[in-house]
Amino acid sequence: GQNIDQPTEMTATEGAIVQINCTYQTSGFNGLFWYQQHAGEAPTFLSYNVLDGLEEKGRFSSFLSRSKGYSYLLLKELQMKDSASYLCAAKDSNYQLIWGAGTKLIIKP
Amino acid sequence: ETGVTQTPRHLVMGMTNKKSLKCEQHLGHNAMYWYKQSAKKPLELMFVYNFKEQTENNSVPSRFSPECPNSSHLFLHLHTLQPEDSALYLCASSQGRGSGANVLTFGAGSRLTVL
Repeated sequence: GQNIDQPTEMTATEGAIVQINCTYQTSGFNGLFWYQQHAGEAPTFLSYNVLDGLEEKGRFSSFLSRSKGYSYLLLKELQMKDSASYLCAAKDSNYQLIWGAGTKLIIKP
Repeated sequence: ETGVTQTPRHLVMGMTNKKSLKCEQHLGHNAMYWYKQSAKKPLELMFVYNFKEQTENNSVPSRFSPECPNSSHLFLHLHTLQPEDSALYLCASSQGRGSGANVLTFGAGSRLTVL
């Protein structure tokens, strides 16, 4: 079956760095997405990786290793507003999105 | 403003009621989606419309009935729901369907409680 695994919850300190991991098992692969969802709000797009390597966008970076079925989202210089759920999703060979259950990130002062 | 607007934001209904959720997008997107989001579970794709035509129905019970009158509007009609249908219902849109990189734009969701 197809599956996405990510930690349920993580805690980090304001100003620090946190890495949220995501492993995937899909029938074929057409890219991996990260979305951010604040409580009570819409999920918003953060990043898309289809080739191996690191993509950097300001304080956020996303990494992909296709051979390992592995991705991570790296958040630097954490701010209180980064407290949110982070959703990992992979596209399979039929371009269907397979979603993880999300990682709730709690930032403490 | 996300560009995708959902109403109502909150809905409480009894199991015998009939209600509808509405979604509207002004992004010029061709594809629209209904997802169900339950606590600590992955997003569940319910329905997909591409150019107003339903292209996917992921074994959703018939008590959920979608309607897409045009590319900008999507409805989810609800009737005789069960308590386990209580969840956040998210609408999303995208430019095209099927390519690897097309990004979903979500609405803020309609929080449904079935008593």
